[in-house]
Amino acid sequence: AQSVSQHNHHVILSEAASLELGCNYSYGGTVNLFWYVQYPGQHLQLLLKYFSGDPLVKGIKGFEAEFIKSKFSFNLRKPSVQWSDTAEYFCAVNANWGYQKVTFGIGTKLQVIP
Amino acid sequence: DTAVSQTPKYLVTQMGNDKSIKCEQNLGHDTMYWYKQDSKKFLKIMFSYNNKELIINETVPNRFSPKSPDKAHLNLHINSLELGDSAVYFCASSQATSGPYEQYFGPGTRLTVT
Repeated sequence: AQSVSQHNHHVILSEAASLELGCNYSYGGTVNLFWYVQYPGQHLQLLLKYFSGDPLVKGIKGFEAEFIKSKFSFNLRKPSVQWSDTAEYFCAVNANWGYQKVTFGIGTKLQVIP
Repeated sequence: DTAVSQTPKYLVTQMGNDKSIKCEQNLGHDTMYWYKQDSKKFLKIMFSYNNKELIINETVPNRFSPKSPDKAHLNLHINSLELGDSAVYFCASSQATSGPYEQYFGPGTRLTVT
């Protein structure tokens, strides 16, 4: 069965600081990887996804993530955070075939201080 | 037009009551899901339907019964509500059950059982 680990549960940063949120997954086959964001009081929205090709993917609002297959990792980065990035961030993985559920990590709460 | 809509947005009810939450998607997707998000923001999949057929049924109490009258709708009925059912319930849809397809989430239904 697949699983997702997010190591940082609560991150506090000042505006303009750089961000890196860790995500590791375990699954033996080909996977698709996602980062979702949930702003306070809102639903989850897709930030970016990886399924093939360039392992460095760019998403909305200046976010990017790098897939490192050898490390089973898909870390999320942003060079300079803003107060409006305060939100919960979820890493997710699904298999590339069959009836497979998407597995979400437990989420990382990011708090950006003005 | 809202892609994935849920009603009601808030639901406050007493223990022992039966309630339903409705979900509709206008994206033409084949797959729909129900998730439960607890107070710690942990997102847990409950059910998944593909073209009206139940394909994922996680370990949830029998009191929870999903119904999909057509592939655009997935409703959730809960019998004999308990305090522990208090959570935010999200409906989601995706183009398919696997592959590089992100999920589109509804706005959520905040259920409070008193």
